[in-house]
Amino acid sequence: QVQLQQWGAGLLKPSETLSLTCAVYGGSFSGYYWSWIRQPPGKGLEWIGEINHSGSTNYSPSLKSRVTISLDTSMSQLSLRLSSATAADTAMYYCARVAVATNAFDIWGQGTMVIVSS
Amino acid sequence: DIQMTQSPSTLSGSIGDRVTITCRASQSISSWLAWYQQKPGKAPQLLIYKASSLESGVPSRFSGSGSGTEFTLTISSLQPDDFATYYCQHYNNYIFSFGPGTKVDLK
Repeated sequence: QVQLQQWGAGLLKPSETLSLTCAVYGGSFSGYYWSWIRQPPGKGLEWIGEINHSGSTNYSPSLKSRVTISLDTSMSQLSLRLSSATAADTAMYYCARVAVATNAFDIWGQGTMVIVSS
Repeated sequence: DIQMTQSPSTLSGSIGDRVTITCRASQSISSWLAWYQQKPGKAPQLLIYKASSLESGVPSRFSGSGSGTEFTLTISSLQPDDFATYYCQHYNNYIFSFGPGTKVDLK
């Protein structure tokens, strides 16, 4: 049974870089895309970007200039870096698996709350 | 960009009700349309993919339909566990987008 476990710094100052990691347990890294999605408090879901096992990435146009998603296949981990953080980046951040055959997020991490505040 | 809308934004229902949530796209889209249920403090859970396919383990009272610009999620008989927020999600041209959500609460 595939599980995603995520972690990272929960409190940032404005202009700092947000950094989160998501580990994939119990399943193959290859054959899927792996995404990051965020949800500001009380608001809806926003897709950030994705990466596949070969390192091919796609990013949300609205965040593309600040986002880097990378992976470590040996550790079955993917990472998110979001530079120049502002209060608008305060959100719950989720990693999720994308089933290529369905283009839907079928497995999610537990979420990491990130607050950007001076 | 394709914009996704959902209606209603809030739906009040009673146990046993048949409820329908609608997701509309700003232009005709493919069937890469999924539905999720999210409860407070929890990650979303996939219910429906490819517009009408039921994810494994999801109760059969959930169903999806639609094509073109209009898609629906139907709960045939609302159960206590179904009070939650529901999101539609579309994939097109390497971009994912979510609808704004529909909160289903107790009447």
